Amino acid sequence: DVKVTQSSRYLVKRTGEKVFLECVQDMDHENMFWYRQDPGLGLRLIYFSYDVKMKEKGDIPEGYSVSREKKERFSLILESASTNQTSMYLCASTNQGRQETQYFGPGTRLLVL
Amino acid sequence: DAKTTQPTSMDCAEGRAANLPCNHSTISGNEYVYWYRQIHSQGPQYIIHGLKNNETNEMASLIITEDRKSSTLILPHATLRDTAVYYCIRNYGGSQGNLIFGKGTKLSVKP
Repeated sequence: DVKVTQSSRYLVKRTGEKVFLECVQDMDHENMFWYRQDPGLGLRLIYFSYDVKMKEKGDIPEGYSVSREKKERFSLILESASTNQTSMYLCASTNQGRQETQYFGPGTRLLVL
Repeated sequence: DAKTTQPTSMDCAEGRAANLPCNHSTISGNEYVYWYRQIHSQGPQYIIHGLKNNETNEMASLIITEDRKSSTLILPHATLRDTAVYYCIRNYGGSQGNLIFGKGTKLSVKP
């Protein structure tokens, strides 16, 4: 059974803190994605990665960075958390090629105070 | 921009078929139609996808009109656990696999 796991389901941080969100997939997928989901705005792509050490900006990369040191792990970093980064963060992975579906993790609900 | 149009919400009686429509009138010839759903407080879950032909799997059926401008997702015997937001997405597939989610349809299955 395919599995995408995220390090935390719920997280509370203070403004200015550095925040790490970890995502691990066990399907040997090349592609990994970070989204955030906000009411009324749907899912928005923050960053994605095609391969180890590769990263591409999505639609809303400002205030975020990512790290992909190993194929199975994709980390999202908030260098200095702000209240407008309070959101649900979703990680996904997929294999190369057409018609491949994305598998999502359970999400991390982050609250920045 | 999701470039698909779905009703905001729908109700369905438990045990009946749920038919969820999606309009994608500007879809191009090599774009697929994907359906995902998201149950409250969980990540989205893949349901089904298709290009031109109707498709069926263990979860649902997908009916695509001949002109490909619209499609319908059918859950043949809806259960309470099918209550979720259903997203219709058009996508080229390929190595990026980047999906653009719109607002979706909130399906409420009632006993």
